[in-house]
Amino acid sequence: KNEVEQSPQNLTAQEGEFITINCSYSVGISALHWLQQHPGGGIVSLFMLSSGKKKHGRLIATINIQEKHSSLHITASHPRDSAVYICAAPLQGAQKLVFGQGTRLTINP
Amino acid sequence: SQTIHQWPATLVQPVGSPLSLECTVEGTSNPNLYWYRQAAGRGLQLLFYSVGIGQISSEVPQNLSASRPQDRQFILSSKKLLLSDSGFYLCAWDQGSGAFFGQGTRLTVV
Repeated sequence: KNEVEQSPQNLTAQEGEFITINCSYSVGISALHWLQQHPGGGIVSLFMLSSGKKKHGRLIATINIQEKHSSLHITASHPRDSAVYICAAPLQGAQKLVFGQGTRLTINP
Repeated sequence: SQTIHQWPATLVQPVGSPLSLECTVEGTSNPNLYWYRQAAGRGLQLLFYSVGIGQISSEVPQNLSASRPQDRQFILSSKKLLLSDSGFYLCAWDQGSGAFFGQGTRLTVV
């Protein structure tokens, strides 16, 4: 079992829908990253958060340290949001980033 | 500013040929550096990570090796490529303040 687990693996929705992607982790972490990978492979860092909530445009990321859970929300989804979304965490005491399996999001017009 | 450079972007190599992928970072010192591979349709798999010059940890036994000859340089190598080495290779670094990713190298072994 991975230390960082994501769900769902695949998500298809219609334009305008509210999207939620979940990430759970089983060990202590110092922070959690949400990343976006487009079809060409390039990865962009969306958020890094260690507590509470962050918002950037239509994207919102939340983390609950006690429950070891984070969510990425997309409001008013658009086809250009179609990508793979990945959560990643540097594990406490281990000097390495661990990635979730990724969620492939497809937004249909 | 903090940046990371990875090259080449794409590479087609014959089976049995050597490989060298290079990654350099700017705007930071003593970062943790990582090499990941993403096989087709799969998630990112950690291959190597380094916490300092000459310090390499291998996560998965394989046909590849990594070296860190300078603080901001991380190299992924192979002496003889296999077909199964095909995939998308990504260099990354983090330093607690954030994580940064290279653009990746798509390697096709033919």
